[in-house]
Amino acid sequence: GENVEQHPSTLSVQEGDSAVIKCTYSDSASNYFPWYKQELGKGPQLIIDIRSNVGEKKDQRIAVTLNKTAKHFSLHITETQPEDSAVYFCAARTPRYSSASKIIFGSGTRLSIRP
Amino acid sequence: SQTIHQWPATLVQPVGSPLSLECTVEGTSNPNLYWYRQAAGRGLQLLFYSVGIGQISSEVPQNLSASRPQDRQFILSSKKLLLSDSGFYLCAWSEGVPYGYTFGSGTRLTVV
Repeated sequence: GENVEQHPSTLSVQEGDSAVIKCTYSDSASNYFPWYKQELGKGPQLIIDIRSNVGEKKDQRIAVTLNKTAKHFSLHITETQPEDSAVYFCAARTPRYSSASKIIFGSGTRLSIRP
Repeated sequence: SQTIHQWPATLVQPVGSPLSLECTVEGTSNPNLYWYRQAAGRGLQLLFYSVGIGQISSEVPQNLSASRPQDRQFILSSKKLLLSDSGFYLCAWSEGVPYGYTFGSGTRLTVV
């Protein structure tokens, strides 16, 4: 089955600097890659996603890139702000689970923004 | 618009007591429903998923069970809680082929 690995597990950056979180996936059939942000005590919230027919997607300070050949995808946050501090999860969806397509999550990255 | 409700928000239960967590979705029909558990500082572990009323698939053997008595209602249960059942439980829903899940606000369960 699909396996998603996420690095680093913790990341601390100076406010205003950029943060990058990287993920790899194992199933070449995966075709959808969402990213979630989880604030303390809350459920994860979808912040950006990318489909396998696209190499890059941007939404203001957030961007995601996908390298299908290498089975890598990354989240880039520019001009980081204190409210970006949270746990971020990458995920991959493979269509092989046809009866109930599931999304497999990475282990999470705890991002801290230093003032 | 669709909304997902999950309750209670927090729960403290003694070892050996029963458990019932409820999740409901509004504004959609025949959603896929999911229960996840998140141990402290850890990732998201899929426990159960359901593609329809009465259809439950279990991902990992454990002390918990799930039921879907109505189209938009998903219940997580246990007859006798263990200390290891403590964690943050999240319900989620998606359309048939999920382009992302929408998660509920979670239930923090502490078994003492």
